[in-house]
Amino acid sequence: GPKVLQIPSHQIIDMGQMVTLNCDPVSNHLYFYWYKQILGQQMEFLVNFYNGKVMEKSKLFKDQFSVERPDGSYFTLKIQPTALEDSAVYFCASSSTGGSQNTLYFGAGTRLSVL
Amino acid sequence: GDKVKQSPSALSLQEGTNSALRCNFSIAATTVQWFLQNPRGSLMNLFYLVPGTKENGRLKSAFDSKESYSTLHIRDAQLEDSGTYFCAAEGGSNAKLTFGKGTKLSVKS
Repeated sequence: GPKVLQIPSHQIIDMGQMVTLNCDPVSNHLYFYWYKQILGQQMEFLVNFYNGKVMEKSKLFKDQFSVERPDGSYFTLKIQPTALEDSAVYFCASSSTGGSQNTLYFGAGTRLSVL
Repeated sequence: GDKVKQSPSALSLQEGTNSALRCNFSIAATTVQWFLQNPRGSLMNLFYLVPGTKENGRLKSAFDSKESYSTLHIRDAQLEDSGTYFCAAEGGSNAKLTFGKGTKLSVKS
């Protein structure tokens, strides 16, 4: 089936540094999402993105977070600066349509470890 | 409280047996998705549901929007069914999914 690729699979950085998580969504999809999963806990919505804009974001999407997809390249999640509580697995997803009647396809996740 | 409650939180099955997982919603869910997260962390789509039922091989899922719940039935459980099953509900615009905490399933031979 359709695949969403996330790069890297694991990232280790020091607290205070900047990190960029990359997502290569399904090729004809237009809606993009980031979810955060702390080890052993449920997945939480962070943000969704369409037509170059953030459509909706949750309280977890702190001011230090930003997303973009320049010129149809990777859909990225940037955290600057990182904090210890940012350690989690970040899942990217994409869908062809927004709202109802859409199926989200998820990547395998990027495990971020902030030391 | 949790907007999407999954039960049970963990389940151990003997190979070849049947079981059912459940999600109860305290939000007005319009669609439901079920995912299987394998031990490596990857998420696989199992079902996308509007109110009604769907079947795929040994899996069958139902979503009742009036009673605010969804079920996932596993028939003839196999070892490869092991993993964490998540349900997620969409309750409004912008395709924001609210996930349950998952059911960790272990199938043993």
